[in-house]
Amino acid sequence: DVKVTQSSRYLVKRTGEKVFLECVQDMDHENMFWYRQDPGLGLRLIYFSYDVKMKEKGDIPEGYSVSREKKERFSLILESASTNQTSMYLCASRATGGTTEAFFGQGTRLTVV
Amino acid sequence: GQQLNQSPQSMFIQEGEDVSMNCTSSSIFNTWLWYKQEPGEGPVLLIALYKAGELTSNGRLTAQFGITRKDSFLNISASIPSDVGIYFCAGWDPGADGLTFGKGTHLIIQP
Repeated sequence: DVKVTQSSRYLVKRTGEKVFLECVQDMDHENMFWYRQDPGLGLRLIYFSYDVKMKEKGDIPEGYSVSREKKERFSLILESASTNQTSMYLCASRATGGTTEAFFGQGTRLTVV
Repeated sequence: GQQLNQSPQSMFIQEGEDVSMNCTSSSIFNTWLWYKQEPGEGPVLLIALYKAGELTSNGRLTAQFGITRKDSFLNISASIPSDVGIYFCAGWDPGADGLTFGKGTHLIIQP
């Protein structure tokens, strides 16, 4: 079974802190994604990566950056956390190919106070 | 990014009832996926559909890939309390950056 693991289930951070959300997948997938999920807004794509050291902006990249130094690990960075970044963050991975499924981690509930 | 129209937004049903939900898009997709998300957890893949007209079952769940490739349906038969959650559809367009998600159908089951 594909396993996507996010480092924290729950995080509470202060405004202005630098926050790191880590995601690791064990299926050698080329593609990794970070989404945020908010009530009424669904899942919104923040950043994605097709390969090591490669990153592309999604629909809402402002206030975020990412790092992919190794194939299995994709990190989301909040440079200076703000209260409007309080959300559920979901990492996903997918193999390359047109008809393959994406698998999600368990999510990180981030609260910025 | 693109959005899928998923309906209904929420459903209040009695245990034992059948459930139907659907997603429509203005774009053609090559793959349709259905996920279920329980509170505080990440989405879990239920069914993947790869061909127009395809009908696939997973236990009490049945999903179909619409013939136009612009829609998909998920049915749950004889609902039970553990079916509670949010069901998401997702479409894969090879020309897009990632999956396009519906906003979810929130299923609530009354005993």
